[in-house]
Amino acid sequence: QLRLHESGPGLVQPSETLSLTCSLSGAYINTMTVYWGWVRQPPGKGLEWIGALYFSGSTYYNPSLESRVSIRLDTSKNELSLRLRSVTAADTALYYCPYGDGGPLGGLFDFWGQGSLVTVSS
Amino acid sequence: FILTQPHSVSESPGKTVTISCSAFGGSVVSNFVQWYQQRPGSPPTPVIFNSYRRPSGVPDRFSGSIDSSSNSASLTISGLTTEDEADYYCQSYDRSSPWVFGGGTKVTVL
Repeated sequence: QLRLHESGPGLVQPSETLSLTCSLSGAYINTMTVYWGWVRQPPGKGLEWIGALYFSGSTYYNPSLESRVSIRLDTSKNELSLRLRSVTAADTALYYCPYGDGGPLGGLFDFWGQGSLVTVSS
Repeated sequence: FILTQPHSVSESPGKTVTISCSAFGGSVVSNFVQWYQQRPGSPPTPVIFNSYRRPSGVPDRFSGSIDSSSNSASLTISGLTTEDEADYYCQSYDRSSPWVFGGGTKVTVL
């Protein structure tokens, strides 16, 4: 059974870099012809797409975050990573790493992890 | 590209509710729309994909539609139960930002 587990520091200082990982269990990440995404949800608010990485290696980012974000796949650790630089309180959110079936851009995110809460505060 | 949803809708058990998702600056007629249900404390789960299709396990009380005249998508839930109380989000595609979510609609079953 596939399982996604997002993990991170919980608390990040303003202006620092937020680093999160998404570990996959139940399959090898490099065998999945899917796209991986990062989506965040500020407390009490809606969903915001951050970026996506296709199994081909192509990456796509939300234009509003593109200058600060990078998404990578580490096949040796069977995990996806997110780095978001120069964070502010506005980056406080629950961060999810869903995946979809590798179809066209803008497609369905089939399966979601439980998310990792990140608070930006000094 | 913006997807606009009503903030909240409410209806009685057994009734039908429809949630709209209006597109501005792009098209939901020429691009697929997905719908997600998010219960409190849980991650989103899909209830409609490719505008009309239901994932396996989603009851046929959930249906999706597209209105080309208003450039909007809709999610209809019939036979409402208390289990349907949740936030619902539409999501579609725009070439400048491939995944765009609507602001979400809270469904309350009175």
